[in-house]
Amino acid sequence: AQTVTQSQPEMSVQEAETVTLSCTYDTSESNYYLFWYKQPPSRQMILVIRQEAYKQQNATENRFSVNFQKAAKSFSLKISDSQLGDTAMYFCASINSNSGYALNFGKGTSLLVTP
Amino acid sequence: DTGVSQDPRHKITKRGQNVTFRCDPISEHNRLYWYRQTLGQGPEFLTYFQNEAQLEKSRLLSNRFSAERPKGSFSTLEIQRTEQGDSAMYLCASRTGQGGAEAFFGQGTRLTVV
Repeated sequence: AQTVTQSQPEMSVQEAETVTLSCTYDTSESNYYLFWYKQPPSRQMILVIRQEAYKQQNATENRFSVNFQKAAKSFSLKISDSQLGDTAMYFCASINSNSGYALNFGKGTSLLVTP
Repeated sequence: DTGVSQDPRHKITKRGQNVTFRCDPISEHNRLYWYRQTLGQGPEFLTYFQNEAQLEKSRLLSNRFSAERPKGSFSTLEIQRTEQGDSAMYLCASRTGQGGAEAFFGQGTRLTVV
């Protein structure tokens, strides 16, 4: 079974600072994708960043970057220059190719950005 | 295209009643997924469709849950004889068939069973 573990239920960061959210995963697939999704309060889930496992280079999207450690099965998200609008639940997810590429989510990390 | 839409946004029902939720995916997306999200948890996969075919339904929570996607367009999720434990947010997502494609989510239907 595929599992995704987020060990930080809540985190807080000051505006303009950098924060790292942790995620570990377990999968038996040889090639797979990993994602970070953001769910702002009362708003829909949106994709933050994705990583394909066979690509060694860590993905970056503006202020968001990942540290993908394949051997350690670790996939952390770094948010630089945090903004108040980054306040949200953040979910790490893997793809399950046996279920039509359905997402397998962790429990999430609630991030609060303070002024 | 305005994205994935779900209706209703909120539903309060009495225990034992049947409820049906609707999801309209992005029109060019052939895959549609239903998830359930309870408080403090990540979304939990329930079922998915490729076009009109329901290819995975073993993850539906009980035989009270069923889903359809007639003609491969919108989808409905029905819960019969609702129980208080069914109270949750029900999310719909759609995407193309490529492996790493982004899934686009609707805003969800929040169900409260009283």
